[in-house]
Amino acid sequence: DAGVIQSPRHEVTEMGQEVTLRCKPISGHNSLFWYRQTMMRGLELLIYFNNNVPIDDSGMPEDRFSAKMPNASFSTLKIQPSEPRDSAVYFCASSLLAGFSGNTIYFGEGSWLTVV
Amino acid sequence: GDSVTQMEGPVTLSEEAFLTINCTYTATGYPSLFWYVQYPGEGLQLLLKATKADDKGSNKGFEATYRKETTSFHLEKGSVQVSDSAVYFCALRVNQAGTALIFGKGTTLSVSS
Repeated sequence: DAGVIQSPRHEVTEMGQEVTLRCKPISGHNSLFWYRQTMMRGLELLIYFNNNVPIDDSGMPEDRFSAKMPNASFSTLKIQPSEPRDSAVYFCASSLLAGFSGNTIYFGEGSWLTVV
Repeated sequence: GDSVTQMEGPVTLSEEAFLTINCTYTATGYPSLFWYVQYPGEGLQLLLKATKADDKGSNKGFEATYRKETTSFHLEKGSVQVSDSAVYFCALRVNQAGTALIFGKGTTLSVSS
C-alpha cells in the first residue's frame, strides 16, 4: 500500500513567494497532521485535522501560514509570503481516528523547503 | 502541559556496544508511548510502541518498557550496528483518539565500525 505522499520533495524559492505543500494521506486514514522540523526547534506540530476538520492550529506560527483539507485524500499547507526563517522540513502524517491513542501515526518523506 | 524529555546527543558508540537512550514524560492520564527513528534524508518511521503500563515494545532488536512509576520509556539495544546510526525520537500521545504526537527533541546516534 502507498504511504503518505508529499509533494514537492524539495523546493527552493525566493523570499516573498507563495509556497504550497501538498499531502495525500494513507487511504482510509481520517486524521492528518502537519509537522515542521528545524535544527533549532526540533519537531513542531503545526496543525491537525480529524475527518477533514481542523482540530488544533495553535502551532501555526503566524497568519502567513494556512492549511486546508478539502477532502479525505488531500491537504495543503500554504505559506504566503515566504521568509528565510520558514526554511525547514515539513512533514505530513496520517492515522486512523477510531480506536485509541495507540494508533500509529505514519509520516511522509517530507518536503524540504529552502527560502532564499 | 504534556511533554517528553530525552537525553541530549549525540551518542557515539562502537559496533556491538550496548545502547540506552533515556526518555521521560509528563502527561495527564495514561498516554501511549512511541519511539520513532529518522535515517538521514528520510521521514520518521515507527520503531516501537507501548500503550499501557508495563508493556514492552520491541522491534529490530530494540526494546522499551512503559514504566508508569518512573514515567519513563527508555530505549535499549544489546548490540548496535553501523546501520542503526540515525536520530531517535521519543513521543507520547495522550489517552484519547484523534490527538497528535508530542515529541522529544531527538537523540542522534552514531555507530562506528
